[in-house]
Amino acid sequence: DAGVTQSPTHLIKTRGQQVTLRCSPKSGHDTVSWYQQALGQGPQFIFQYYEEEERQRGNFPDRFSGHQFPNYSSELNVNALLLGDSALYLCASSWGTSEQYFGPGTRLTVT
Amino acid sequence: AQSVTQLGSHVSVSEGALVLLRCNYSSSVPPYLFWYVQYPNQGLQLLLKYTTGATLVKGINGFEAEFKKSETSFHLTKPSAHMSDAAEYFCAVSDQTGANNLFFGTGTRLTVIP
Repeated sequence: DAGVTQSPTHLIKTRGQQVTLRCSPKSGHDTVSWYQQALGQGPQFIFQYYEEEERQRGNFPDRFSGHQFPNYSSELNVNALLLGDSALYLCASSWGTSEQYFGPGTRLTVT
Repeated sequence: AQSVTQLGSHVSVSEGALVLLRCNYSSSVPPYLFWYVQYPNQGLQLLLKYTTGATLVKGINGFEAEFKKSETSFHLTKPSAHMSDAAEYFCAVSDQTGANNLFFGTGTRLTVIP
């Protein structure tokens, strides 16, 4: 049984560009949450998707948006990239409000 | 609102010594509490969690934590450190609403000295 998978592993973008990160949840999971982990910090909640709708959102600007597909996979989009968006982006999946399982993350570097 | 404070961004212990990582939480509702471990260039792995019931929680790799409501603490311990325990440890809290999003502390880096 594959766990949570994320792609790509690493990504380098330039300020002002747009980026899309992808996440496939663990089999049987229907809820996907996204977190941003800046260097030396703990992960911060961005938003959560359930039944293809954004259920809850953390304190992140509208430049951060997402989507969940019928197969429960999810995308995180960030527009107008800033240097401060450089971070490890973690996806976590769960079945409803059960325990969250984390993927290995996508490391985004903005230059 | 929920928040977590982890005391000590770096902790060093000798191999075989007691590991104690401190976590205090703030929550306006009964919390769910978690400890996660992160190895370099990897995601987060759940060590243990407290939801309800027994306040002493046992997790993987010999770790355990005790929920103390009166002290708003959830410290992580392991009787004997192993070299493989060297990693970053995060304490997290969530509320019990349907969203279950996690609020993390800033982490404690554990170094094990041979």
